[in-house]
Amino acid sequence: DAGVTQSPTHLIKTRGQQVTLRCSPKSGHDTVSWYQQALGQGPQFIFQYYEEEERQRGNFPDRFSGHQFPNYSSELNVNALLLGDSALYLCASSLGTSGRNSEYFGPGTRLLVL
Amino acid sequence: AQKITQTQPGMFVQEKEAVTLDCTYDTSDQSYGLFWYKQPSSGEMIFLIYQGSYDEQNATEGRYSLNFQKARKSANLVISASQLGDSAMYFCARRGGNKLVFGAGTILRVKS
Repeated sequence: DAGVTQSPTHLIKTRGQQVTLRCSPKSGHDTVSWYQQALGQGPQFIFQYYEEEERQRGNFPDRFSGHQFPNYSSELNVNALLLGDSALYLCASSLGTSGRNSEYFGPGTRLLVL
Repeated sequence: AQKITQTQPGMFVQEKEAVTLDCTYDTSDQSYGLFWYKQPSSGEMIFLIYQGSYDEQNATEGRYSLNFQKARKSANLVISASQLGDSAMYFCARRGGNKLVFGAGTILRVKS
């Protein structure tokens, strides 16, 4: 049973560029959430996708956008990269988000913006 | 604000001993869920244990147990018989709406 997978594992970009991160959820899961984890901090919620729609969004600017495909996989796009966007980006999947349905995380994509 | 507070930035424990990692939370909800995750240096967040606010008993999963005190709004993680592989960052989280809200984490180092 494949867990959550993310690609790429590492990425280096320069300020102003655009980046796309990809996530495939755990088999049987229909909900994908994205989190940003800056060094030394806990993950911060970016947004969540369910049935190909953005269901909830955290306190992130519009430069952060996403998409969910019919097979439940998801992309996170960040435009006009800033140095402060350097972080570990974590994708999490779940079957719904109620009760004890825990979110299972992927290994993350480490983004460095120079 | 749905704040999660982990007051211990770092903890040391001797191998084979038990350790408690503290977590307190804010909420005005009657029904909520609390989670603990482990994050090794590789970066992946590993789900450890879940506690529902209406669960009558404290959650246990192998060597992990949760000391849930609802009135005090605390959900401390207890790791029994610590192993060297338990060295990692540990995060407490609460479900707020559809998202997880995380604390700042506690670094645990197990000494041999």
